Amino acid sequence: GAGVSQSPSNKVTEKGKDVELRCDPISGHTALYWYRQRLGQGLEFLIYFQGNSAPDKSGLPSDRFSAERTGESVSTLTIQRTQQEDSAVYLCASSGLGLGNQPQHFGDGTRLSIL
Amino acid sequence: GQQLNQSPQSMFIQEGEDVSMNCTSSSIFNTWLWYKQEPGEGPVLLIALYKAGELTSNGRLTAQFGITRKDSFLNISASIPSDVGIYFCAGLPRRNQGGSEKLVFGKGTKLTVNP
Repeated sequence: GAGVSQSPSNKVTEKGKDVELRCDPISGHTALYWYRQRLGQGLEFLIYFQGNSAPDKSGLPSDRFSAERTGESVSTLTIQRTQQEDSAVYLCASSGLGLGNQPQHFGDGTRLSIL
Repeated sequence: GQQLNQSPQSMFIQEGEDVSMNCTSSSIFNTWLWYKQEPGEGPVLLIALYKAGELTSNGRLTAQFGITRKDSFLNISASIPSDVGIYFCAGLPRRNQGGSEKLVFGKGTKLTVNP
């Protein structure tokens, strides 16, 4: 499709398990972002990829969180040893050539529930 | 860090009424964006503002980038039931303040429209 695609749309897992979330950005978009949205809250920045530059990881809340991106394509966000406070919607967004020229377009998110 | 104060938190209005919401900050922002989020979906971009003082319309929506670069408002005229959702403002800090491309989001305004 033409938009940002995220999978799975929902994930329920037990505390302590690892989870992997996937994002397919809009074709041609060089920038990719991950955000976390807790229930009833705004979006918290997690990590930003721009082309082949080193990612901006300043928003990752702990070393249990990591993300990878291969070139300008798919990205995966991994949460290790999940905790109940990790329950949230994880949103991915992409944009072209940095925000100054192109605004971010969002996927529908992965709703993560930790039991 | 930079924060955006979005108000009101929620609004209950009658169909046909006009709506106004705003975001303010103590920091300067380079870009202001307004998004709408419906349940189970990611935020959808409504309006992007790139210049101080800029006033931009998108159908019944009008948004302005404050002249001080520290605020923005969104107006919706003649509201209809499908305007229901959560509206988020988002800002991109100025680069020379240490910001990268990560957006700062307000906490949202939840809009309810009664037919």
